[in-house]
Amino acid sequence: AQSVTQPDIHITVSEGASLELRCNYSYGATPYLFWYVQSPGQGLQLLLKYFSGDTLVQGIKGFEAEFKRSQSSFNLRKPSVHWSDAAEYFCAVAPNTGNQFYFGTGTSLTVIP
Amino acid sequence: NAGVTQTPKFQVLKTGQSMTLQCAQDMNHEYMSWYRQDPGMGLRLIHYSVGAGITDQGEVPNGYNVSRSTTEDFPLRLLSAAPSQTSVYFCASRLRGHQPQHFGDGTRLSIL
Repeated sequence: AQSVTQPDIHITVSEGASLELRCNYSYGATPYLFWYVQSPGQGLQLLLKYFSGDTLVQGIKGFEAEFKRSQSSFNLRKPSVHWSDAAEYFCAVAPNTGNQFYFGTGTSLTVIP
Repeated sequence: NAGVTQTPKFQVLKTGQSMTLQCAQDMNHEYMSWYRQDPGMGLRLIHYSVGAGITDQGEVPNGYNVSRSTTEDFPLRLLSAAPSQTSVYFCASRLRGHQPQHFGDGTRLSIL
C-alpha cells in the first residue's frame, strides 16, 4: 500500500538549534516530493519540492530537504530555528502515475526561547 | 492574486442541515481537491476534479457531493450534516498531476 510516514508527531527545539523532520514514503518508483508548512488557523504553504536532479533542494524560509532514494526518505532540515518556525509541517507525495496526492499526518514543531 | 478562495471561513450547523462550501481559484488550474483535516489524521482527500465536468471520489467521500461546472469553481456539498463531519475543510488546486498544490485558508465547520 502506498503511504507517507512522518514518525515524529511532535518535536520541541530551542531557538537557534538545528532541526530535522523525518519523512518516509512507500512507492514503487520515485515520486514527486513536497514539504508544506501550516501556521495556526492558516492553510498549507509550500516550502519546497523535489522532482528530479540534485537530491538536496532549497526552499523558502531557510529550509532544505534531502532526497535519499535508498532510504525512501525526504527529510526536512533547517540549520537554525527561529521562533516563527513554530507550526505544523506536512510531507506530501505525488506518485509519478495517477492523479493522487498523499499527505503524512504531520509533525508539530514547538520552538522554545 | 487571490489564489484559492474559500467561503465561509466558519460555520456552525445543526445535524441534518445541508450546506455548500465554496471554493474558487483564479490561476486557471486544471486540478482541484477537497480535503478534511482532523487532529492526528493529517489531510484526507474527499473528492477531486481533473477538469471541468470531471470529478472523482477520494479517501472519505461519503456524505459529500461535488460538481465542477467551470474551471474556477469547485463547491463541496454536505447533504445531511452529521457531527462526524465536524472538521476543517481545505480546498486546493494545482496546474496538473504532480505540480504543487495551492491551498485556501480553510473552512472551520462545526456540526451540533
